[in-house]
Amino acid sequence: NAGVTQTPKFQVLKTGQSMTLQCAQDMNHEYMSWYRQDPGMGLRLIHYSVGAGITDQGEVPNGYNVSRSTTEDFPLRLLSAAPSQTSVYFCASSYSGSGHGGYTFGSGTRLTVV
Amino acid sequence: GQQLNQSPQSMFIQEGEDVSMNCTSSSIFNTWLWYKQDPGEGPVLLIALYKAGELTSNGRLTAQFGITRKDSFLNISASIPSDVGIYFCAGQSPSGTYKYIFGTGTRLKVLA
Repeated sequence: NAGVTQTPKFQVLKTGQSMTLQCAQDMNHEYMSWYRQDPGMGLRLIHYSVGAGITDQGEVPNGYNVSRSTTEDFPLRLLSAAPSQTSVYFCASSYSGSGHGGYTFGSGTRLTVV
Repeated sequence: GQQLNQSPQSMFIQEGEDVSMNCTSSSIFNTWLWYKQDPGEGPVLLIALYKAGELTSNGRLTAQFGITRKDSFLNISASIPSDVGIYFCAGQSPSGTYKYIFGTGTRLKVLA
């Protein structure tokens, strides 16, 4: 089925470990983004990309890196995990950055840092 | 930073009742989106609004883009049990085409 695929669905990390959250879409969307969702905080933008080779910071970028080598993939890297990064992470994509027609979200990655 | 205030934070209603929720901002927005999130899933787009004063329906859902461009409203008529979930508003930041700000959500529970 077409859409946004995130892996893994669940992950437990120890403080200081690094890992990559994967995101792939098969809709040929130019725009992709990463959000984190915390209780009572809504969704906050971490990083976004308007096309292959182009990325920019969102509202809460510290501690995360991204790259966009292809249109389909937009991985999120945690450099040195901290308990404050315990959250649910969502990847989203849209045909255009204006969001016309809305963003399509993946089903999320639930990350716990101990 | 900019914030979107959603109210109410949560609500319990009886099946068949109408529901109203709103989203307000201290800043002007160019676009408003309304999403619903089911447990364990990502948000799904319900309605998109692109013009001040616009009123748009999607089945039993109706949303409006406030005239001041600082608020938006979502109404659900004749609620059913599957309406349960978290409803988020999102506004397009006027400072950047690619950045949407999300509200904190309204958690809806429907009592059969």
